[in-house]
Amino acid sequence: QVQLQESGPGLVKPSETLSLTCAVSDYSITSGYYWGWIRQPPGKGLEWIGTIDHSGSAYSNPSLKSRVTMSVDTSKNQFSLKMRFVTAADTAVYYCARQWHDYVNYWGQGTLVTVSS
Amino acid sequence: QSVLTQPPSASGTPGQRVTISCSGSSSNIGGNSVSWYQQLPGTAPQLLIYGNNQRPSGVPDRFSGSKSGTSASLAISGLQSEDEADYYCGAWDDSLNGHWVFGGGTKLTVL
Repeated sequence: QVQLQESGPGLVKPSETLSLTCAVSDYSITSGYYWGWIRQPPGKGLEWIGTIDHSGSAYSNPSLKSRVTMSVDTSKNQFSLKMRFVTAADTAVYYCARQWHDYVNYWGQGTLVTVSS
Repeated sequence: QSVLTQPPSASGTPGQRVTISCSGSSSNIGGNSVSWYQQLPGTAPQLLIYGNNQRPSGVPDRFSGSKSGTSASLAISGLQSEDEADYYCGAWDDSLNGHWVFGGGTKLTVL
């Protein structure tokens, strides 16, 4: 059973950079699939942030692309998200996930990131 | 405003059959497979349907999916109280160099 666990600061100041890491257990990220980030503002729906493969090829939401960087660390079996210049609108539960081309089949438990001074 | 359109709410009584629709366009549902997710209160979403109508192991056959043209539907038969949750559709969208899109979600209430 694949397990994903997000980690990172729960509070980020406006205009600063949000940084999250997703540790993957019981599955090697080099074995296939893609690795993604999805967020959910409080009381709202899901928004795809971006996806990366084990080689580092990444693609992201056009509306967030200019602020988002994703990376993979195969030695630690984890992947990461950085989002620059955050505002209150970026307050959300952030999920990391394992994806295939047309579905997301494993989700982390999610971590709440609040943007506030 | 979500790219995929879902009704904000749906309801039914135990034992009933309910359907949730998801409307898109030729760049997403029309040309790609649809997946559905169930999000129980306070938990992460879980995959319910993939490839338009395929159930992952462990998902009861009360849940079924279908697609026609640029729309998709999730049907739940024999409604149970534990089905009360938010449901989201998702699909790949070929526009803007490709990106994932979700519906806005449907809150299902079991009366």
